[in-house]
Order: sequence, then C-alpha cells, then structure tokens
Amino acid sequence: EDKVVQSPLSLVVHEGDTVTLNCSYEVTNFRSLLWYKQEKKAPTFLFMLTSSGIEKKSGRLSSILDKKELFSILNITATQTGDSAVYLCAVASGGSQGNLIFGKGTKLSVKP
Amino acid sequence: DGGITQSPKYLFRKEGQNVTLSCEQNLNHDAMYWYRQDPGQGLRLIYYSQIVNDFQKGDIAEGYSVSREKKESFPLTVTSAQKNPTAFYLCASSTPQGAKNIQYFGAGTRLSVL
Repeated sequence: EDKVVQSPLSLVVHEGDTVTLNCSYEVTNFRSLLWYKQEKKAPTFLFMLTSSGIEKKSGRLSSILDKKELFSILNITATQTGDSAVYLCAVASGGSQGNLIFGKGTKLSVKP
Repeated sequence: DGGITQSPKYLFRKEGQNVTLSCEQNLNHDAMYWYRQDPGQGLRLIYYSQIVNDFQKGDIAEGYSVSREKKESFPLTVTSAQKNPTAFYLCASSTPQGAKNIQYFGAGTRLSVL
C-alpha cells in the first residue's frame, strides 16, 4: 500500500530558528513529490520535486529529494511567525493515475 | 481572478439529510478532486474526475456522490449514508501533464452535524 510519512507531526520553534521537516514515502511508480503550506484553509503550493539532488529554493524555503533513500526535506531558515502553518507533503504515484497521496502534515508553530 | 471557489464556507447537516458542497474553477483545468481532512489527518481522496462526464472513486467514496456535467464544476453531495460527515472538505483542480500534477485548492467547506 502506498504511503507517505511526515515527521515530526508538530514542532515549536522561536523566530530566527532554522527548521527541517521530513517526508518519507513508499509508492508504486513514483512520479513527483510536492510540498504545500496550509495556514487556515486552502493548502498553497510550495515546491514540486522530480529529480534527486536538485534543490528547489524560494526565499527562506528550500527542499530537496532523495529518490534512492525515498525521502525529501523542507528547510526553513530564519523562521518568522508567518511561517506558522501545517506543511503537507504529497507524492504523485503512477499507479493511481498520478493522484496525490498525502502525509498527515507537520504543524509548525513559530513563537516570537 | 482565476481560482477555485468553494461554497458555502460553513455548512450544517441534520441527521438523514443530504447536503451538496459546491466547487467551481475558472482555471480551465481538466481534472478536479474532492478531499476530506480530519484533525491530525492528511487529506484523503473522496472522488476525482479527469474529464467531463467521467469520475472515479477515491479511497473513501462511501456515503458521497459527485457529478461532472461541466468542466468548471464538480459538486459533492454528502448523503445520509455517510455516518460521520463532520470534517473539512477541500476541492482541488489540476491539468496533469505527466509527472507535473500540481493541484490547486479552494478555501474549503467545513461541514458539521447538528
């Protein structure tokens, strides 16, 4: 059965800290891995990763994929209170017409 | 503005009642999806549609029904057969291109049982 596991499930840090969120997966016929940020309601797209070792970067956020070890990390440097959210990892599997399989998410709280 | 509109934002269901959640997109996306999100859980797929007049069951389709008569619209009906409907419902759309299935989400509907 395809699955996506995120860790930790929740995390509390202070502004300025650097955090690393983890996502491991076991899926049939991997296509891509996506990260989303969910603050209150709609998850918003952050990154899509398809190739190992190529870092995607947007401001203070970055992500990388390891297809050999079947995991991805999302890094956030110099965290701000606005980074507080649930971060969702999802994997597109070719075995399900490319539908996304989501992890449970990591709830990040950034305290001033 | 282009996007996905879900309505209503909040919905209350009485026991034995069917309720319908609306999802409309003007992104010209072919595929649309319905997810259910429970506290501490990831998103679970209810139904999806890759093309007009066709849809497929997801992992938790029991107690739900959908239709896809127009490309822009993918309403979800929560039937009385769904015994635990209280959850946050998210609609998404995408234009799958091989590996690039980036799904974009609406703001969600929170359904509660009276």
